[in-house]
Amino acid sequence: GAVVSQHPSRVICKSGTSVKIECRSLDFQATTMFWYRQFPKQSLMLMATSNEGSKATYEQGVEKDKFLINHASLTLSTLTVTSAHPEDSSFYICSARDLGDGTGDLYEQYFGPGTRLTVT
Amino acid sequence: GQNIDQPTEMTATEGAIVQINCTYQTSGFNGLFWYQQHAGEAPTFLSYNVLDGLEEKGRFSSFLSRSKGYSYLLLKELQMKDSASYLCAAMDSNYQLIWGAGTKLIIKP
Repeated sequence: GAVVSQHPSRVICKSGTSVKIECRSLDFQATTMFWYRQFPKQSLMLMATSNEGSKATYEQGVEKDKFLINHASLTLSTLTVTSAHPEDSSFYICSARDLGDGTGDLYEQYFGPGTRLTVT
Repeated sequence: GQNIDQPTEMTATEGAIVQINCTYQTSGFNGLFWYQQHAGEAPTFLSYNVLDGLEEKGRFSSFLSRSKGYSYLLLKELQMKDSASYLCAAMDSNYQLIWGAGTKLIIKP
């Protein structure tokens, strides 16, 4: 159980275009989802925390108008990178927290497989 | 401020034992996580400690000392597939994970 999927796994886009990344919890309800960015050989950097039905909470330095997050249901959150630039090229990872079923370790985050974004 | 420290890189031999240390400073504390991350992949959960002591899960064990702000991940009977980055993350009072930069573990035959 506790599977999180991400789509697409890889995307190449041209500078100035927008890209949408989907994150789905497949077998549990995720009231909270997290979006991370990871540059090569660096650790995960939390971009924003997304709660179902409310606005996302962005970390300092993350432009909310550039990285649009929508958490419309308990199983789906989307990240849209608007007007992408080459410096936005990175590995984007979502995770979901399941507080509902009592299995596993409390507050454990289940990670999606990640999306490799390349902006040319 | 909040901070997680762990070594950047470690090398060990196949079949041996390796200990990866992690020290943390957070605003409040709700547990310490260890994740494994292979290159180009997302992290996978290894362990969670919130009480002092050692938790053993097969070849992997994790230890926590809350008074010292210290944890370690112990890997026994190392296999080549254990070559990966190991991420230490502490959960603060807001249940937010504070991530370390990761320790790249290189296993040599």
